Amino acid sequence: KAGVTQTPRYLIKTRGQQVTLSCSPISGHRSVSWYQQTPGQGLQFLFEYFSETQRNKGNFPGRFSGRQFSNSRSEMNVSTLELGDSALYLCASSLEVQNEKLFFGSGTQLSVL
Amino acid sequence: SQQGEEDPQALSIQEGENATMNCSYKTSINNLQWYRQNSGRGLVHLILIRSNEREKHSGRLRVTLDTSKKSSSLLITASRAADTASYFCATDWSNDMRFGAGTRLTVKP
Repeated sequence: KAGVTQTPRYLIKTRGQQVTLSCSPISGHRSVSWYQQTPGQGLQFLFEYFSETQRNKGNFPGRFSGRQFSNSRSEMNVSTLELGDSALYLCASSLEVQNEKLFFGSGTQLSVL
Repeated sequence: SQQGEEDPQALSIQEGENATMNCSYKTSINNLQWYRQNSGRGLVHLILIRSNEREKHSGRLRVTLDTSKKSSSLLITASRAADTASYFCATDWSNDMRFGAGTRLTVKP
């Protein structure tokens, strides 16, 4: 089975722009979660999607949004980028329940200039 | 917000030695998991221990859980240079997984 695939691997944007990150979960996995990782804040939970519905949401501003498609693939969008949004964005998938074993992608490294 | 906190923040040992990392958490849990992350990459699941279990083994890994103290420990025996990585504990919290800040382990050859 292929693992969790995240694209792109690296991204450079400027302040004020918007960005869309993509995540393809492991085949058969229905739950997709997104995390932001920075040296100062560690891993912060963004949101989780299950069967095209956002099931849980972390404490991030509305500029961060996501969605899940019928094939379980997920995208997250960040609008009006700020310097502080520079981070490694990680996607993780699991079979059904988000608090069981997570399988992570390699992440998208976003740099905001 | 983070649910788990690892201790120590950094640990440096020689190859062949054992490495012990600790995790403390704040609220009741259903399970606790440990993950490893090599620099700049995704996390890899190591082991899951449920709240009704006290100890679990997987290869060179041993995890203990003390729910009365809200703490867990991860022991890596006979460490290798390839074990150099960051290690995170994660707890289920309000239906999602929350991660600690991690322990950075360096194993010197």
